[in-house]
Amino acid sequence: GESVGLHLPTLSVQEGDNSIINCAYSNSASDYFIWYKQESGKGPQFIIDIRSNMDKRQGQRVTVLLNKTVKHLSLQIAATQPGDSAVYFCAEIAASNTGKLIFGQGTTLQVKP
Amino acid sequence: DGGITQSPKYLFRKEGQNVTLSCEQNLNHDAMYWYRQDPGQGLRLIYYSQIVNDFQKGDIAEGYSVSREKKESFPLTVTSAQKNPTAFYLCASANPRRGQNEKLFFGSGTQLSVL
Repeated sequence: GESVGLHLPTLSVQEGDNSIINCAYSNSASDYFIWYKQESGKGPQFIIDIRSNMDKRQGQRVTVLLNKTVKHLSLQIAATQPGDSAVYFCAEIAASNTGKLIFGQGTTLQVKP
Repeated sequence: DGGITQSPKYLFRKEGQNVTLSCEQNLNHDAMYWYRQDPGQGLRLIYYSQIVNDFQKGDIAEGYSVSREKKESFPLTVTSAQKNPTAFYLCASANPRRGQNEKLFFGSGTQLSVL
């Protein structure tokens, strides 16, 4: 079946360090992946996305890496700041499953001052 | 919140009562979605609509109903048949182009609790 999972429920990092949040998926037909950030009591906020024809994409302070061979997705946050503290979700969708985004459980990122 | 407005922010339901959560978007998006989020959990799809006057059940549609009479509106009714309605409800919209999936934009959510 389809599943999207995150390796760690909570990640604690020191302010200024780099953070790496990992995600595994099982549907090899998935061709579009998104990372969302959710702060307490708010809706998820789009961070960055990547399509399956790419293996890396960079944004402002964030990089997403996609390894289709092992069905692994990661989000790297450079110079982590207190404002980065939130729950991070990865989500996947297959072209054949238009509109049905499948979300992982989420990883809580805690930034220590 | 990316042009998606959910209301109310907090809602309380009495036993046996139906309640309706509002979701309005001014992004001119064709597709709209309702997700349920339980504490410490990911998002689960309740219903989605790809176009006006059409909608499909998601993974946990039992006890819920929707309508899509207008492009900008996708209200969700939590019926009395939903025995565990307490959760955070999120509405989202997207504009798939040329068969490609696109990112979802989310509203700020409605917290539903049972009295």
